[in-house]
Amino acid sequence: DSGVTQTPKHLITATGQRVTLRCSPRSGDLSVYWYQQSLDQGLQFLIQYYNGEERAKGNILERFSAQQFPDLHSELNLSSLELGDSALYFCASSVGSGGVYNEQFFGPGTRLTVL
Amino acid sequence: DQQVKQNSPSLSVQEGRISILNCDYTNSMFDYFLWYKKYPAEGPTFLISISSIKDKNEDGRFTVFLNKSAKHLSLHIVPSQPGDSAVYFCAASENTGGFKTIFGAGTRLFVKA
Repeated sequence: DSGVTQTPKHLITATGQRVTLRCSPRSGDLSVYWYQQSLDQGLQFLIQYYNGEERAKGNILERFSAQQFPDLHSELNLSSLELGDSALYFCASSVGSGGVYNEQFFGPGTRLTVL
Repeated sequence: DQQVKQNSPSLSVQEGRISILNCDYTNSMFDYFLWYKKYPAEGPTFLISISSIKDKNEDGRFTVFLNKSAKHLSLHIVPSQPGDSAVYFCAASENTGGFKTIFGAGTRLFVKA
């Protein structure tokens, strides 16, 4: 158990819908990262937040948005869902924002299925 | 544009032997490299990391080597154990104020008893 929690574990929805994935980081970690893992692919970095502020951005679609709240939990919002958005979404957290503090602890993931 | 490449999708090794997993990168601005291990239905687990100012880091059975001129890193596992069978991801980060972390596609390691 990494100490990172993600809810829900599974999510099934239809095209065009909007969903929210939630992540609670390990106690004491200030950074939260979001990744997408599509079938048979590696993890694609989406976005990083550090203490409530966006710090780094990957190839995150405009239909996707994220935020980190004052209690440090984070939410990833996916809207106008398409079939291709079906994937495992991982959240990770770390103490700081990089370097020796870049050891990221991953949650178990949320499996999103868009029908 | 794959900035981090793991060209071997799979590797099979006999128990007790050395496993060598390779990773190549293209971005010379990467300054921190990590290896993660992943079992099915779980999130990746951090294994070992190395800063670009070093060329080797050891932790028990795991050693990571970094060759900056070749933009290549490798993970050595000695001796390999059946419990090491998993998917191994190489990752690289560049400090841009935040840490955008780029992962390779992974190498599936099979350790045969």
